[in-house]
Amino acid sequence: QVQLQQWGAGLLKPAETLSLTCAVYGGSFSAYYWTWIRQPPGKGLTWIGDINHGGRTHYSPSLKDRLTISIDMSKKQFSLNLSSVTAADTAVYYCARGRTDTRGDYFDYWGQGNLVTVSS
Amino acid sequence: EIVLTQSPGTLSLSPGERASLSCRASQDISGNYFAWYQQKAGQAPRLLISGASSRATGIPDRFSGSGSGTDFALTITRLDPEDFAVYYCQQYGDFPYTFGQGTTLEIK
Repeated sequence: QVQLQQWGAGLLKPAETLSLTCAVYGGSFSAYYWTWIRQPPGKGLTWIGDINHGGRTHYSPSLKDRLTISIDMSKKQFSLNLSSVTAADTAVYYCARGRTDTRGDYFDYWGQGNLVTVSS
Repeated sequence: EIVLTQSPGTLSLSPGERASLSCRASQDISGNYFAWYQQKAGQAPRLLISGASSRATGIPDRFSGSGSGTDFALTITRLDPEDFAVYYCQQYGDFPYTFGQGTTLEIK
């Protein structure tokens, strides 16, 4: 059974860097795109970006200047770093497994989510 | 980016009834690269449908997806009490991947 377990700091001040890591248990690690998605409180889902086993990334255009997604194949983990955060970055952040359907990915396994709050 | 607009925003129905949820895309999603998710309060979303009409593993056959081009639908026949939740559509035909704003299915 595939499980994604994520962790990271939950309270940040403006201008700090958000860092989250997601560990993958079970299943192949090299066959998928590993993805970050966020959800502001009471709002909908927004795709942040993804990475594959070769380190190839896709980023949301609205976040790409502040965003880094990295991968550690030896640990079966991938990470999100978002710099210069503001209150607008307050959200539940999810990691997910992207299953490729020829052209793009849908998300079949999700982490439990981490609430990250940005407040002075 | 492709904007997905879901309707209605809220749907009030009773257990046993049929639910029809809609998602309209701002551009043609050729290839039907389209998914539906269910999210309950405090939980991560759960994949229901991919490829516009293929049910994910373990999803009951009362859930069905349809549509093509710019108009997609999720139908839930014979609503079960556990089906009352928020539903999101997603397109993965073009970057950035985008989600609809959600439809809340509530008990009438």
